[in-house]
Amino acid sequence: QQQVKQSPQSLIVQKGGISIINCAYENTAFDYFPWYQQFPGKGPALLIAIRPDVSEKKEGRFTISFNKSAKQFSLHIMDSQPGDSATYFCAALLWGAGSYQLTFGKGTKLSVIP
Amino acid sequence: GAVVSQHPSRVICKSGTSVKIECRSLDFQATTMFWYRQFPKQSLMLMATSNEGSKATYEQGVEKDKFLINHASLTLSTLTVTSAHPEDSSFYICSARGRGFNQPQHFGDGTRLSIL
Repeated sequence: QQQVKQSPQSLIVQKGGISIINCAYENTAFDYFPWYQQFPGKGPALLIAIRPDVSEKKEGRFTISFNKSAKQFSLHIMDSQPGDSATYFCAALLWGAGSYQLTFGKGTKLSVIP
Repeated sequence: GAVVSQHPSRVICKSGTSVKIECRSLDFQATTMFWYRQFPKQSLMLMATSNEGSKATYEQGVEKDKFLINHASLTLSTLTVTSAHPEDSSFYICSARGRGFNQPQHFGDGTRLSIL
């Protein structure tokens, strides 16, 4: 059962354009939604994260939009640069009553072309 | 920021060999450590979770005797792939988090394991 669905699988964006990656979740008990950036041969690095009581969070060129009623959240990368080319994973965290579970989406490979 | 160091970054060995991978939290006490496996162009698959001083909890389908995990201290966890075979070749990533509600997971840079 895939609890976090991510799309698209791959994305090609022109330099300076906006990259948009979407995720949908099923479990309303999730209480934290991080995005990770992974370069080839490296581990994932936390990029930005949001809690479900917030509709939007912006850090530099990266913005998370969160729609609690639709159970969807998305990552927007403004003014995309070739250095942003990487694989991006959304995730959802379930935390409480002694349990801790971080569920990843399947990833989106972003290519930013000059 | 918090750093997780994983060693070695790459290892190539013959079939039947046992391989040990180390994961260290460099500037925080990692009360919980996680081991993931990642196949090419796929997401991270959680293999096991370990709390310092306790036995690791393995995910369904992960062989405990094949993948030995030791979390002996608050800064070190090891994964030993015993009697490795070509199908064990993969990218293994460790992750660690400290104590407390707001502590995020920090990831190591992974170990590329190739079994010949």
